[in-house]
Amino acid sequence: GDSVTQMEGPVTLSEEAFLTINCTYTATGYPSLFWYVQYPGEGLQLLLKATKADDKGSNKGFEATYRKETTSFHLEKGSVQVSDSAVYFCALRTQGGSEKLVFGKGTKLTVNP
Amino acid sequence: GAGVSQSPRYKVTKRGQDVALRCDPISGHVSLYWYRQALGQGPEFLTYFNYEAQQDKSGLPNDRFSAERPEGSISTLTIQRTEQRDSAMYRCASSTTRSTDTQYFGPGTRLTVL
Repeated sequence: GDSVTQMEGPVTLSEEAFLTINCTYTATGYPSLFWYVQYPGEGLQLLLKATKADDKGSNKGFEATYRKETTSFHLEKGSVQVSDSAVYFCALRTQGGSEKLVFGKGTKLTVNP
Repeated sequence: GAGVSQSPRYKVTKRGQDVALRCDPISGHVSLYWYRQALGQGPEFLTYFNYEAQQDKSGLPNDRFSAERPEGSISTLTIQRTEQRDSAMYRCASSTTRSTDTQYFGPGTRLTVL
């Protein structure tokens, strides 16, 4: 079945450091890909998405490019802030049927001042 | 506008009791999803509704779990004869239609079974 594998955490960075969180997927067809973020004490929020190969999703300085050849959707940010501290989830939306989301396990990011 | 709401936010129950978790989707959203998230894991799909019809319940772990959405709006997830392994965060999401990419999540219900 469809699955998502993302980088194990936790990740600890200093403010203004470069961030990469790796995400790879296994799926039939051409799923849409997402990054969701969960800030402390809050629910899941959509951070960015990409719906087809070579699409780049971006939001709040974060970017991820849909790479079909490597089945990857790595999350990057050039300069992280303390306020970026959260848990990040990579997900795919299955094609056909209920089109449910399949999530990775999440990566906890802590950014220190 | 109002987002997805869930109630209660926290539920503590004793093993063997039944619990009902409620989800109120964004107004007008046709599709509604239930997910369960164990500590340190990503959410896992439980079931899906399109309007009032339960289209997919393949993720429900056993027959103690059921869900309904009788009028195509509010949904209830019921767990009968709760067990400790049912302890988790239960999340609801809604989207405009099934084919719309973005699912909007509620704050979740944290269920603890003692």
